[in-house]
Amino acid sequence: QVQLVESGGGVVQPGRSLKVSCAASGFTFSSYGMHWVRQAPGKGLECVAVISYDGSNKYYADSVKGRFTISRDNSKDTLYLQMDSLRAEDTAVYYCARRVALAGTGLDVWGQGTTVTVSS
Amino acid sequence: AIQLTQSPSSLSASVGDRVTITCRASQGISSALAWYQQKPGKAPKLLIYDASSLESGVPSRFSGSGSGTDFTLTISSLQPEDFATYYCQQFNNYSFGPGTKVDIK
Repeated sequence: QVQLVESGGGVVQPGRSLKVSCAASGFTFSSYGMHWVRQAPGKGLECVAVISYDGSNKYYADSVKGRFTISRDNSKDTLYLQMDSLRAEDTAVYYCARRVALAGTGLDVWGQGTTVTVSS
Repeated sequence: AIQLTQSPSSLSASVGDRVTITCRASQGISSALAWYQQKPGKAPKLLIYDASSLESGVPSRFSGSGSGTDFTLTISSLQPEDFATYYCQQFNNYSFGPGTKVDIK
């Protein structure tokens, strides 16, 4: 079945780096744009990074620009988020999500989330 | 950057009630808007995409309307499983609204 599975979350000290991954299965990963969306404890949703189906176009929220890098490996059906210079305010559940086909405006498949905690 | 506001921020309703949630964009976004439902500890679930298209498998009591700056999510007859938080998201710069929590009256 269509599935996204995140991994790589954990506890990290402020200023350090962490890379989270999202493994896709059950669909043609290379045909879809992908998003990373985070949710801080008790807060709402924030889209932090977006990548086009072929990796040629990327978008970053101002809150992470210059610190986070989104990438994908279509040969491995995997999406990544490299997070550098982490701050306490980056503590959140990080979800990967698939954009609706044909550039529709919606995210129709979500992973279960991976928790990133930035703390000394 | 385009910002979204939602109203109300919370509401209390009874099973069978008709519920309407509004999302307003700070600039026109055509029909580039989605609605999601989220329950505690779970990932969001897509309900409506392209402002008014019902996602496959979502009950027909959910509907979306609007274009430009003003959008509406309507639940025609609230069911027990609909108590949750609802978010809108625009696809110009991908921001989400702050959410509307629907709880039991």
